[in-house]
Amino acid sequence: GNSVTQMEGPVTLSEEAFLTINCTYTATGYPSLFWYVQYPGEGLQLLLKATKADDKGSNKGFEATYRKETTSFHLEKGSVQVSDSAVYFCALSDFGGADGLTFGKGTHLIIQP
Amino acid sequence: NAGVTQTPKFQVLKTGQSMTLQCAQDMNHEYMSWYRQDPGMGLRLIHYSVGAGITDQGEVPNGYNVSRSTTEDFPLRLLLAAPSQTSVYFCASSYSTPGEGYEQYFGPGTRLTVT
Repeated sequence: GNSVTQMEGPVTLSEEAFLTINCTYTATGYPSLFWYVQYPGEGLQLLLKATKADDKGSNKGFEATYRKETTSFHLEKGSVQVSDSAVYFCALSDFGGADGLTFGKGTHLIIQP
Repeated sequence: NAGVTQTPKFQVLKTGQSMTLQCAQDMNHEYMSWYRQDPGMGLRLIHYSVGAGITDQGEVPNGYNVSRSTTEDFPLRLLLAAPSQTSVYFCASSYSTPGEGYEQYFGPGTRLTVT
């Protein structure tokens, strides 16, 4: 079956530091890949997505590239802010999301001023 | 648009009780899903629907029933609540853009405690 593995948290960084959150996946086909963000007490919001190999998703300074050869979709940001503190989830779907998503366990990111 | 709405926001049940978690969306999305979120487990898919009258099981369907009689509504039923069902439940709806794939919109969640 499908699975998503992402680095365990919490990850604590100082403001303006470079961020990488690793995500690797196992899937039977050619899945679509997603990063979602959850702020305290809220639901999940789509941060970025990629639907095919070598696609780069980007939003709000965050980027992730769909690497089929390494089955990875690592999230990066060049300079984090305190407001980026949240839980980040990597997810995939074999059918683009119509049949629901398979999520990683989430990475809690804490940015200190 | 209200987006995806869920009621109630909080609920406490006793073991063996039943209840329905409500989910509605006003975006005319064809696809809807239910997830549960547990500490250290991420989100796990309970059931999903690809259209009115069509539902299917996800990763953790036991103890839950769903139906989809309209495009807008996708209620989740707990028939005999158990402490293991204590969790935060999220409903989501999604649509497809040609060439762009699907994008899921999540509701604010229902925090359920079973004692």
